[in-house]
Amino acid sequence: AIRMTQSPSSFSASTGDRVTITCRASQGISSYLAWYQQKPGKAPKLLIYAASTLQSGVPSRFSGSGSGTDFTLTISCLQSEDFATYYCQQYYSYPSLTFGGGTKVEIK
Amino acid sequence: EVQLVESGGGLVQPGGSLRLSCAASGFTFSSYWMHWVRQAPGKGLVWVSRINSDGSSTSYADSVKGRFTISRDNAKNTLYLQMNSLRAEDTAVYYCARELRIAVAGIIDYWGQGTLVTVSS
Repeated sequence: AIRMTQSPSSFSASTGDRVTITCRASQGISSYLAWYQQKPGKAPKLLIYAASTLQSGVPSRFSGSGSGTDFTLTISCLQSEDFATYYCQQYYSYPSLTFGGGTKVEIK
Repeated sequence: EVQLVESGGGLVQPGGSLRLSCAASGFTFSSYWMHWVRQAPGKGLVWVSRINSDGSSTSYADSVKGRFTISRDNAKNTLYLQMNSLRAEDTAVYYCARELRIAVAGIIDYWGQGTLVTVSS
C-alpha cells in the first residue's frame, strides 16, 4: 500500500505569512495527488487535485506543486479562515485511496 | 446545491451491526461514483469503500473487507453502508463523499457532515 507522509504535523503561523506543507509518497504517484482542508467539526473541502489544479471556488492564494513522490501545498498569504488541518491524498492506486496524517496550521 | 446527509450512526456493542445511510440531493446521484471515508476521534482520514454509479462495482479497504457492504438505491438517491461484526477500532465519524467526474478517478469533491459510530460495551 502507498503511504503518504506529511510534514510538519503542526505548526504556528501568523496572518499574512507564506506557509508550505510537504507531502511525500512511499512510491511514485505521478501527479495523482489532492489536497483537502478540514476545520474542526466540519467535513473536508477539496482545494487542489492533479497536484496543482485549483478546485473551482478556491482562492488563488492556495497553490500546489510536485510530482512523483514529493509534493507541496503553499498558502501565499495566510488568512484567518485558513487556520485548519490540511490533508494530502493519493489516488494513483485507485480504488484504494490513502491520506496523509494531516498538518494542523495554528495561530501564532 | 450539492448536499450529502448521513444518518444511522450511534452506539453499538462489539460484534454488532449498523447501517448508515446518505441522502443525496442537488445533483444527478445516479451519474456519480460514491465513497465512504472515516475519521477516528482526533485522527486522520481513512478511505473505507467505493461504489460505481450503477452499483455493479464495489471496493473496500482491507480493514473492513468481508464485514462492510456498500450499496446504493439510485431511485431513492441514497447511499448505504452496512457494517457487521463491528470492532472498537471501527469507532469513527463516517463521511459519505462524492467522486469528481473527470477523466481520472479518485478525487472527492463533496463530503457530507458525517455520522458518528461508536463501538463500545
